[in-house]
Amino acid sequence: QSVLTQPPSASGTPGQRVTISCSGSSSNIGSNYVYWYQQVPGTAPKLLMYRNSQRPSGVPDRFSGSKSGTSASLAISGLRSEDEADYYCAAWDDSLSGPVFGGGTKLTVL
Amino acid sequence: EVQLVESGGGLVQPGGSLRLSCAASGFTFSNYWMHWVRQAPGKGLVWVSRINSDGSSTSYADSVKGRFTISRDNAKNTLYLQMNSLRAEDTAVYYCARAPAYGGIDYWGQGTLVTVSS
Repeated sequence: QSVLTQPPSASGTPGQRVTISCSGSSSNIGSNYVYWYQQVPGTAPKLLMYRNSQRPSGVPDRFSGSKSGTSASLAISGLRSEDEADYYCAAWDDSLSGPVFGGGTKLTVL
Repeated sequence: EVQLVESGGGLVQPGGSLRLSCAASGFTFSNYWMHWVRQAPGKGLVWVSRINSDGSSTSYADSVKGRFTISRDNAKNTLYLQMNSLRAEDTAVYYCARAPAYGGIDYWGQGTLVTVSS
């Protein structure tokens, strides 16, 4: 059971906009930044979003992040086949003194 | 180019020990906090442990506290994870990961597989 809650799956057709949610508590998302990672099965995770809504260089602006209270979301617009992957949210947890992750959302591009 | 290369994984019997290493290059290792994160087969990411830049402060997930020890050698640009009293539920790919000043994790190694089985 992960500390942060994500839907196990999401899907969309090419060109669509998809949103993935992430829910936490006051000790993690409510008081700290949210990060998003993309993982293609069999490979290491890749940083997709930091500090709620900042994109590292090289990440397309089709990806956007937001946070409100103890929840956050990742939006992918103009969906492409190469976006098919697992997506994880994460945040520092003040009680744990370490980061906590969501259980991951498997995105399928139909 | 930032590189994190883990090694030391393998098959170990329950109750056994392993030491994982992570060789860092392409950045000033001594300036960064580092983490170990694991991923059981077909499961999600789970944080294991973190260490601050000079090794003076560490923290652990409850599931490994008292069994695992994180350490670093800044002269060798290497991060370690000593794992004792291993259990079947410790079976996972273990990733070494860098923590930037802005928080979170920005770079991950390719991972090393630890299998605990008799």
